[in-house]
Amino acid sequence: EVQLVESGGGLAQPGESLKLSCVASGFAFSGSPMHWVRQSSGKGLEWVGRIRGKANDYATSYAASVRGRFSISRDDSKNTAYLLMGGLRIEDTAVYYCTRQPPDRWANDYWGQGILVTVSS
Amino acid sequence: QSALTQPPSASDYPGQSVTISCTGTSSDVGAYNYVSWYQQHPGQAPKLVIYEVNKRPSGVPDRFSGSKSGNTASLTVSGLQAEDEADYYCNSYAGSNNFVFGSGTKVTVL
Repeated sequence: EVQLVESGGGLAQPGESLKLSCVASGFAFSGSPMHWVRQSSGKGLEWVGRIRGKANDYATSYAASVRGRFSISRDDSKNTAYLLMGGLRIEDTAVYYCTRQPPDRWANDYWGQGILVTVSS
Repeated sequence: QSALTQPPSASDYPGQSVTISCTGTSSDVGAYNYVSWYQQHPGQAPKLVIYEVNKRPSGVPDRFSGSKSGNTASLTVSGLQAEDEADYYCNSYAGSNNFVFGSGTKVTVL
């Protein structure tokens, strides 16, 4: 059974940093690109970024709204993806989901349960 | 990258059909056959229902179908059932390793 479990969320003040983790199980993690998607309360989904696998040199890409502040990484030996969020802003408050993109499909077929990040002074 | 445009709401009676549009540009929806659709019930994570414009993942009923014409993709839910009441989001590859979601559509089964 495929599982994605996020952790590391919580309350942060504007300007602070927070690191989310996403532990994966039930599939070949190292071969799958991993995405982060967020959703503000009552709002729609927003793509945050993606990290590809070793075959693509762990290439990362980010939405313009977080580029330069957020960083995605992965540790294939731990089946874990990370989202390091720096320079947090009030508008970064959201539920953050990690999602898997199968290596042979252009879609996100498995999603974590989501983790809440609240940025407030 | 601006969000893809979806109607805020759509509705019909059980057994009927509803079609949701997802309008982008020639740089995203119009450029690639990499449009996917997600269903989200309140308080739950999104679920993939269509990928690569018109392909259905295993386990998704064939009542769900997708299509694309030019810069607009569409999701049709036929034979509406109560459990189809949810929010639906489209997503498209936008080139340069970027992706963009639609604004979301709330489907109500009357």
